[in-house]
Amino acid sequence: AQKVTQAQTEISVVEKEDVTLDCVYETRDTTYYLFWYKQPPSGELVFLIRRNSFDEQNEISGRYSWNFQKSTSSFNFTITASQVVDSAVYFCALSEVTYSGAGSYQLTFGKGTKLSVIP
Amino acid sequence: NAGVTQTPKFQVLKTGQSMTLQCAQDMNHEYMSWYRQDPGMGLRLIHYSVGAGITDQGEVPNGYNVSRSTTEDFPLRLLSAAPSQTSVYFCASRSHNTEAFFGQGTRLTVV
Repeated sequence: AQKVTQAQTEISVVEKEDVTLDCVYETRDTTYYLFWYKQPPSGELVFLIRRNSFDEQNEISGRYSWNFQKSTSSFNFTITASQVVDSAVYFCALSEVTYSGAGSYQLTFGKGTKLSVIP
Repeated sequence: NAGVTQTPKFQVLKTGQSMTLQCAQDMNHEYMSWYRQDPGMGLRLIHYSVGAGITDQGEVPNGYNVSRSTTEDFPLRLLSAAPSQTSVYFCASRSHNTEAFFGQGTRLTVV
């Protein structure tokens, strides 16, 4: 069974601080996808990144960066110089890459981390 | 660029009433799912489909039915609404090598 753990329920930072959101996952699959989604106060789910398990390079997109460490089953998300607009709930998720039967391709989500950026 | 269209956006039901949440996607995705989101619980899978005519249960299927007669549509039926079904519902679609695309969500209150 797959499992995603986001141990940080809520985080508050002051604007311009850096913040890292932790994500630890469990899966028996040798290949899998990892995702991050953002849910702003308006409620929609905004896709941020998808990472295939055989691509262990870290990724940077503007102020966002992701650190994937297969050895520790972690896929952490860092926001540099946080802004008020970053205030949201962030979800980490996991899915299979290849079809293996029941539940294939469905995303397993963590419980989310609520980030509040204080001006 | 419609993506995933989910209706209605808000709904209030009385206990025992039935209703259908509609979900349609125009990306020709094989895989569609319904999730519910409750405070502190993340998104939990209700039902999913891997293609027209094929559906299966997720983590929290009780009280819900689904069908998939076409690739585009995946409605979720509440047979007899209960207060425990008060939640925010999201429909999603994806292909095997894409991210999941989500609808705007339905906020359902059962009184």
